[in-house]
Amino acid sequence: SQQGEEDPQALSIQEGENATMNCSYKTSINNLQWYRQNSGRGLVHLILIRSNEREKHSGRLRVTLDTSKKSSSLLITASRAADTASYFCATDAGRNSGAGSYQLTFGKGTKLSVIP
Amino acid sequence: DTEVTQTPKHLVMGMTNKKSLKCEQHMGHRAMYWYKQKAKKPPELMFVYSYEKLSINESVPSRFSPECPNSSLLNLHLHALQPEDSALYLCASSQEQAGMKNEQFFGPGTRLTVL
Repeated sequence: SQQGEEDPQALSIQEGENATMNCSYKTSINNLQWYRQNSGRGLVHLILIRSNEREKHSGRLRVTLDTSKKSSSLLITASRAADTASYFCATDAGRNSGAGSYQLTFGKGTKLSVIP
Repeated sequence: DTEVTQTPKHLVMGMTNKKSLKCEQHMGHRAMYWYKQKAKKPPELMFVYSYEKLSINESVPSRFSPECPNSSLLNLHLHALQPEDSALYLCASSQEQAGMKNEQFFGPGTRLTVL
């Protein structure tokens, strides 16, 4: 079952603009992660934010987490054509999956197109 | 080495064939995962291995058979698949540090087509 729901489903912006993607989820979580996927390729981890954190930065990325609203946002500043990809949020809801492992549930994703 | 490798990159098989997908990581991770991803959909978890033991099977049909021969390798054996099993199969690994779960590292995937 899907935990995260991203919006918008698709986003098209000009190079240099900022891109904001939102994610909502249903149950309490241990952490929320954002991944990027270029067409037909593997996923690349972007950032992980734990349930006791509210904001995190990594380069041009800024992630916020509001556990009271069960939502997160990913902001990409000064976008580049190379940022064109699908972006997924994924939640670790703390379900038992064996020592050292955990189950990630992915949202439907936002397809970002950055026009040069 | 922070890479998860998967072979083959592409696989075309008939419904009566037996094939295997392979995944390897040398990061010392003790958790490994198989995901299935259909076009324009998010990845869906299939199996979780924890310390070489199967800990999660998300109600996957028996025509998919996972195997973890050692801590670096993860296989997915395929037999009598259906055309609807055509998808991108992703392997991932992760490591817990100081009790904290960290990100999963994904391989590039195997694009499987079942004829």
